[in-house]
Amino acid sequence: GQNIDQPTEMTATEGAIVQINCTYQTSGFNGLFWYQQHAGEAPTFLSYNVLDGLEEKGRFSSFLSRSKGYSYLLLKELQMKDSASYLCAVMDSNYQLIWGAGTKLIIKP
Amino acid sequence: EAGVVQSPRYKIIEKKQPVAFWCNPISGHNTLYWYLQNLGQGPELLIRYENEEAVDDSQLPKDRFSAERLKGVDSTLKIQPAELGDSAVYLCASSLVASGSYNEQFFGPGTRLTVL
Repeated sequence: GQNIDQPTEMTATEGAIVQINCTYQTSGFNGLFWYQQHAGEAPTFLSYNVLDGLEEKGRFSSFLSRSKGYSYLLLKELQMKDSASYLCAVMDSNYQLIWGAGTKLIIKP
Repeated sequence: EAGVVQSPRYKIIEKKQPVAFWCNPISGHNTLYWYLQNLGQGPELLIRYENEEAVDDSQLPKDRFSAERLKGVDSTLKIQPAELGDSAVYLCASSLVASGSYNEQFFGPGTRLTVL
């Protein structure tokens, strides 16, 4: 079966750095997405990785290792507004997105 | 550019009643998705349309759920009759294409359904 694993909840301090990990087992691979979802709101796109390596976009970076079935989302200079759930999703061989359950990130002052 | 529009935002019904949700995707987006999301979970695909054609409805409970996308633009999702377990947020998303190496999905605000 297809599976996406990510931690249920993480806590970090304002101004710090946090890394959210995602491991996956899917039927084929056509890219990995990270989405941010604030409570009661829709998911919004953060990043896309299809090749191995690090993609940097401002305070957010995403890393992919296809051989290890592993990705992480790195958030720097954390702000209170970064408190949200972060969803990892993998596009399988049928171009269907397989979603993880999300990691709830709590930022403390 | 307008985003994905959904209505209603909230709906409370009694079990066994019918309910319908409406979605208007971003203009020009050929692919439309309906997802169900329970609290603390990721979205679960119910159905995917490419233009007017439902290309993936394997996860749609067809005994009570139905969907249509007339003219390849707006879409409606219907539940009849609703059950207690259908309480969830129903998300609509759209993208330019479904296949290909890049597919960013844009989500609407969702409809929060409560079945009493």
